[in-house]
Amino acid sequence: SQQGEEDPQALSIQEGENATMNCSYKTSINNLQWYRQNSGRGLVHLILIRSNEREKHSGRLRVTLDTSKKSSSLLITASRAADTASYFCARITNQAGTALIFGKGTTLSVSS
Amino acid sequence: GAGVSQSPSNKVTEKGKDVELRCDPISGHTALYWYRQSLGQGLEFLIYFQGNSAPDKSGLPSDRFSAERTGGSVSTLTIQRTQQEDSAVYLCASSLVVKNTEAFFGQGTRLTVV
Repeated sequence: SQQGEEDPQALSIQEGENATMNCSYKTSINNLQWYRQNSGRGLVHLILIRSNEREKHSGRLRVTLDTSKKSSSLLITASRAADTASYFCARITNQAGTALIFGKGTTLSVSS
Repeated sequence: GAGVSQSPSNKVTEKGKDVELRCDPISGHTALYWYRQSLGQGLEFLIYFQGNSAPDKSGLPSDRFSAERTGGSVSTLTIQRTQQEDSAVYLCASSLVVKNTEAFFGQGTRLTVV
């Protein structure tokens, strides 16, 4: 399968806690992206990290990329109930003509 | 329009009928993707277009599925002789180019085959 693995599959935390989601993949990548999905419909792009970058920040989001381990993590700090959603990593490989491929996602529940 | 538009938003069809799903990408976006998502599952890649050509059709589940894109813009995904297992949300996304740009998603078409 072209899909990588995200873990955990589900994560439940309290407001104010940090949430960490991990993503692993199998082939070399051009870039890796994280998306959020509410209510099973359209996804919203959160952050893109290129293969030559190791860490990127956007507001309360921090993404790391370890190409030697073929893995990435998404950290949401000081979580809020509104962060409740499914989070997906997606990647473009270096192989010509390949598409944006998504992992299976992590479902995050933040309770107040 | 300002975003990716998909129509219809919901479609109920009888088993064996053909359906056409439409995706109108953001103007100027050369890459267009189709995905399928079953309830509680991840996104299953179906096909993507670079302009009007489809470099990767590897995700189409069977020969009942086909897609085309004309004028580098609107795309249609056609499912012939629908089966109950085709029931899912079909998501379309577009991006300016394939590499190093984010994808923008439509709200999807929820297909129910009865």
